[in-house]
Amino acid sequence: EAQVTQNPRYLITVTGKKLTVTCSQNMNHEYMSWYRQDPGLGLRQIYYSMNVEVTDKGDVPEGYKVSRKEKRNFPLILESPSPNQTSLYFCASTPSAGANYEQYFGPGTRLTVT
Amino acid sequence: DAKTTQPPSMDCAEGRAANLPCNHSTISGNEYVYWYRQIHSQGPQYIIHGLKNNETNEMASLIITEDRKSSTLILPHATLRDTAVYYCIVRVFNYGQNFVFGPGTRLSVLP
Repeated sequence: EAQVTQNPRYLITVTGKKLTVTCSQNMNHEYMSWYRQDPGLGLRQIYYSMNVEVTDKGDVPEGYKVSRKEKRNFPLILESPSPNQTSLYFCASTPSAGANYEQYFGPGTRLTVT
Repeated sequence: DAKTTQPPSMDCAEGRAANLPCNHSTISGNEYVYWYRQIHSQGPQYIIHGLKNNETNEMASLIITEDRKSSTLILPHATLRDTAVYYCIVRVFNYGQNFVFGPGTRLSVLP
C-alpha cells in the first residue's frame, strides 16, 4: 500500500532533550516536506526537500533540522525542543515539485514539550 | 500562490449534495485549484484538483468557473463520514513552492 508513515505518533518530552521524528514514503517520491499545524494558524511548512541531499527552509524553519540521505526518508530533528514547538506535525510527499501532483500526507505526530 | 476565501462553516443534510464554494479571484493562468480535507486531526486527504476544466472522480466533482476566479467542490451524496475541514488551495509550479493551507470550511453533515 502506498503510504507515508511517521514515528512516533505521540511524544511527550522535556525542554532541551533532542528528538527525531521519522518520516518514510514507499512511493519513490522526489519531493518531501514537513508541516506543523497549530490552532488558528493552519498548516505551515517547516522544511522541504526536492530530492536526495537537497533541502530548503519553508515558512517556519527556526528550531528544526532535516536531512535527506535516502529518497524514502526525511527525518525532522529538534536539537533542543522548546514548549513553543508543541504542535501537530505532518510529513508529506509528492512525485515532484510540479503543480500537477497531489501531496500525500502522513498520519501526524503530536508532540508535547514541557 | 493566489489567496483563497472560503466560508468558515457549512451544514449539509446526510444524503444531500454538499456544495463548498471557494473564491480565488487573483488566480494566475498556471495555477491549479486543489481540494483537500482533514478529518479531526488526521493527515490532510487529497480530494481533487483541476486547472480550468471541470473534474470528477470517485469522491467529488470540481466545478471551476470560466474566468477561474471561483470554484465549487461538490460531494454528491454527503455522509456523516464527510464531516471534516475542507481546504481549497491554489498552487503554481515553482520549485520549492508548497501548499498554503488557509483556515478552510468546516463541513458538518447532519443526520
